[in-house]
Amino acid sequence: EDQVTQSPEALRLQEGESSSLNCSYTVSGLRGLFWYRQDPGKGPEFLFTLYSAGEEKEKERLKATLTKKESFLHITAPKPEDSATYLCAVQPLANMNTGFQKLVFGTGTRLLVSP
Amino acid sequence: GAVVSQHPSWVICKSGTSVKIECRSLDFQATTMFWYRQFPKQSLMLMATSNEGSKATYEQGVEKDKFLINHASLTLSTLTVTSAHPEDSSFYICSAREEGAVLLGEQYFGPGTRLTVT
Repeated sequence: EDQVTQSPEALRLQEGESSSLNCSYTVSGLRGLFWYRQDPGKGPEFLFTLYSAGEEKEKERLKATLTKKESFLHITAPKPEDSATYLCAVQPLANMNTGFQKLVFGTGTRLLVSP
Repeated sequence: GAVVSQHPSWVICKSGTSVKIECRSLDFQATTMFWYRQFPKQSLMLMATSNEGSKATYEQGVEKDKFLINHASLTLSTLTVTSAHPEDSSFYICSAREEGAVLLGEQYFGPGTRLTVT
C-alpha cells in the first residue's frame, strides 16, 4: 500500500535556526512528490514538485530535495512568517488495472518559528 | 497565479438539514476538481474526484448519496452534504486542476469551508 510519513509531527525553531523536515514514502512507483504549505484554517498552497531522485528545488528560504525513499524540506534562517503546517504528497504510478491515480498525503509537520 | 474560491467559508447547520458548498476556479478552466475532508491535526482525505460534465468518482467509504457532487461547468463544482449529522462536522477543501496539467499534485486549493453540524 502506498504510504507517506512525515516527521517530526511538530517542530519549534528560533528565528534564524535552520532545520529540515522529512517526508518518507513507500510507493510502487513514483510519478511525482509535492510539498505544500498550509496555514491554519486555510487550504494548502503548492510549493514544489519533485520528479526524480537527486532533484532539488528552491524558493526563498525553502529547499526541497528528493531521494528514492524520502524528501527533505530544508528551511534556512526561518522567520516567524514561515510558521505553518508543511504537507508532503506523492503521486504513485497509475493503477495498471484501472488507470486511476490519486495523491497520497502525509499528516504534515507543524512548524512554529519564534522571534 | 491560479485562484480557487470556496463559499461559504464557514457554516453552522442543524442536524438533518442539507448544506451546499461551492468551489470556483476564478482565472482558469478546471477540467478536474477534487473534494477533500480534513479533521483537526490530520491530513487531507480525498472524498471524490469530479470531471466536468460527468459523474464524480467517490473514494471507498464515502457515501455518494450523502455527499452529492456536481461539476456543471469548467469553473464550478458543488458539494452538497445531505441530511447532515454532527459527525459530518469537518473542514472541507476543494481543489482544481488546470486543463493541460500533467501531474495530479499541481492542484490549486480553495481556502476551505468549516462545517459545524449541531
